[in-house]
Amino acid sequence: DTAVSQTPKYLVTQMGNDKSIKCEQNLGHDTMYWYKQDSKKFLKIMFSYNNKELIINETVPNRFSPKSPDKAHLNLHINSLELGDSAVYFCASSQGQGNTGELFFGEGSRLTVL
Amino acid sequence: AQTVTQSQPEMSVQEAETVTLSCTYDTSENNYYLFWYKQPPSRQMILVIRQEAYKQQNATENRFSVNFQKAAKSFSLKISDSQLGDTAMYFCAFIYSGAGSYQLTFGKGTKLSVIP
Repeated sequence: DTAVSQTPKYLVTQMGNDKSIKCEQNLGHDTMYWYKQDSKKFLKIMFSYNNKELIINETVPNRFSPKSPDKAHLNLHINSLELGDSAVYFCASSQGQGNTGELFFGEGSRLTVL
Repeated sequence: AQTVTQSQPEMSVQEAETVTLSCTYDTSENNYYLFWYKQPPSRQMILVIRQEAYKQQNATENRFSVNFQKAAKSFSLKISDSQLGDTAMYFCAFIYSGAGSYQLTFGKGTKLSVIP
């Protein structure tokens, strides 16, 4: 049973489209995250939610909107996709507010914008 | 703001040999954790080892051990008896453990290839 699962794992789409990536964790964790990994493998946090409340919102275009319907789910919706949005997006979760740093990651969703 | 630097973009090691990956970090905080995460070709990030800054003893996990030098702000990872399955990107990471919101800061990674 996968602890942190993301769908879809691969997504190819045209510029200007809107797409969503879903994430679910079955670990009972309170905090969930979205990270972006660019083509050079650099990982950067985008958002963090604790008990459905936004606690970290890095400098991310407002075309990106996270939604947490409950503490086990954190979805990422992207409007008006641009070429620069091509990346691997990782969902992760942690117990508490993550101050022990032990994150459990999903397998990533590779987004390709053409 | 904290920064994490991995100065070796790529490394290789013969199977069964030992390799050390370097990491330095910059922070003015006293309470924090340091980590090494592994990302194999399958993409999934996996925690390899964790070190609490207040502990002087270096963390070990089977074939993986760290050399934590707090004054020098250095946190290297040693992999002993390297195996083909160790081939992966390795990321050093830092998190401040005091009050406030918690953000894991990653280095840019080191690509390790284990050669048969």
